Amino acid sequence: DIQMTQSPSSLSASVGDRVTITCQASQDISNCLNWYQQIPGKAPKLLIYDASHLGTGLPSRFSGSGSGTLFTFTISSLQPEDIATYYCQQCDDLPTFGQGTKLEIK
Amino acid sequence: QVQLQESGPGLVKPSQTLSLTCTVSGGSISSGRSYWSWIRQPAGGGLEWLGRIYTTGSTSYKPSLESRVTFSVDTSKNQLSLKLNSVTAADTAVYYCARDPVGDALDIWGQGTMVTVSS
Repeated sequence: DIQMTQSPSSLSASVGDRVTITCQASQDISNCLNWYQQIPGKAPKLLIYDASHLGTGLPSRFSGSGSGTLFTFTISSLQPEDIATYYCQQCDDLPTFGQGTKLEIK
Repeated sequence: QVQLQESGPGLVKPSQTLSLTCTVSGGSISSGRSYWSWIRQPAGGGLEWLGRIYTTGSTSYKPSLESRVTFSVDTSKNQLSLKLNSVTAADTAVYYCARDPVGDALDIWGQGTMVTVSS
């Protein structure tokens, strides 16, 4: 299995802050990396696919970058509705998820 | 717009078989080639990919579950099915089905169904 390590595991930030989450793969996965948002009590939602492509109709404050083994997910200006847990997922081999980053408002 | 809905018994006894259905609406499973994945999430835990089935019926399973899990597709009912045998308390989780159009990203998810394994 390809192991995905996310950091931090939790994060507290203020509205308007720039927020960055990192995901590291245990081996080279090229750009086969997706990011999901899970609001409490809801199913996950695809935000970013293939490392840097924003899903259709999603706010441009969400972005992703990286390739190989190191990836980042950024919210340029945190909004109250962004409170959720964020997961990375590699698609280079049988899918595996990172352990999640719980984002809270300070 | 394609929507997914999981269903099944909320309670399963240890050592028995967990059976879930995912009903696809707003589009035909057989009209386009796509993967369909199953994912689960224990309470307060992370996401675990269990495996996927292609429209043609070919499957890929998470290696650690391969001996206990079976996926199938019924195009006449537009449904996917999951069977997990010899369940234990460790299989207690919310189970999701999700569409994966090209074996890459899970772009549409069901709302999930909670399954508890307990006697």
